[in-house]
Amino acid sequence: DGGITQSPKYLFRKEGQNVTLSCEQNLNHDAMYWYRQDPGQGLRLIYYSQIVNDFQKGDIAEGYSVSREKKESFPLTVTSAQKNPTAFYLCASSRQGWPLHFGNGTRLTVT
Amino acid sequence: AQKVTQAQTEISVVEKEDVTLDCVYETRDTTYYLFWYKQPPSGELVFLIRRNSFDEQNEISGRYSWNFQKSTSSFNFTITASQVVDSAVYFCALRSGSNYKLTFGKGTLLTVNP
Repeated sequence: DGGITQSPKYLFRKEGQNVTLSCEQNLNHDAMYWYRQDPGQGLRLIYYSQIVNDFQKGDIAEGYSVSREKKESFPLTVTSAQKNPTAFYLCASSRQGWPLHFGNGTRLTVT
Repeated sequence: AQKVTQAQTEISVVEKEDVTLDCVYETRDTTYYLFWYKQPPSGELVFLIRRNSFDEQNEISGRYSWNFQKSTSSFNFTITASQVVDSAVYFCALRSGSNYKLTFGKGTLLTVNP
């Protein structure tokens, strides 16, 4: 079955460490996205990529980095520069104009 | 710039009541897409509907209906005869023009009590 896989579901890190969240899709979608969700804040866009080897900053890109070396993969690195990294992270993919398909999310806790 | 406002932070109803979730959007583009998503307690986002700016017909799908009005820049969502399983956070979202970026509202938490 086609879909988006985010791993792991739960992730725990110590403050000051970089951590990479995985996102893989087999839907043959060109565009991929990373959103962050905090209570009462809705979903905020971190980065998105329309094609391989290209990506754009979203609304809250500071402290994050991404790569898009393959169409299927769009990993997100949460760096030590991110002030409040504890959150629920959602990856999504789409074709232009079509709805986003979301993964099940990764809940990151940094202590 | 594009913006989505969901003024209702939380709504609580009793089962079988009808409930309307409001969504107001802002965009300068003439071509845009509007979406509604449902996020149950399990966390995954479930796509409910997509509307493009050239199609103002209202949509009904079972107990769900959507009212798109360009004159008021609104895309409201009504659940008829609500059920406990409808309890979730509902998000309205907007994508403008050829931009791939999707902007979400802050969501409305709907609680349906038995």
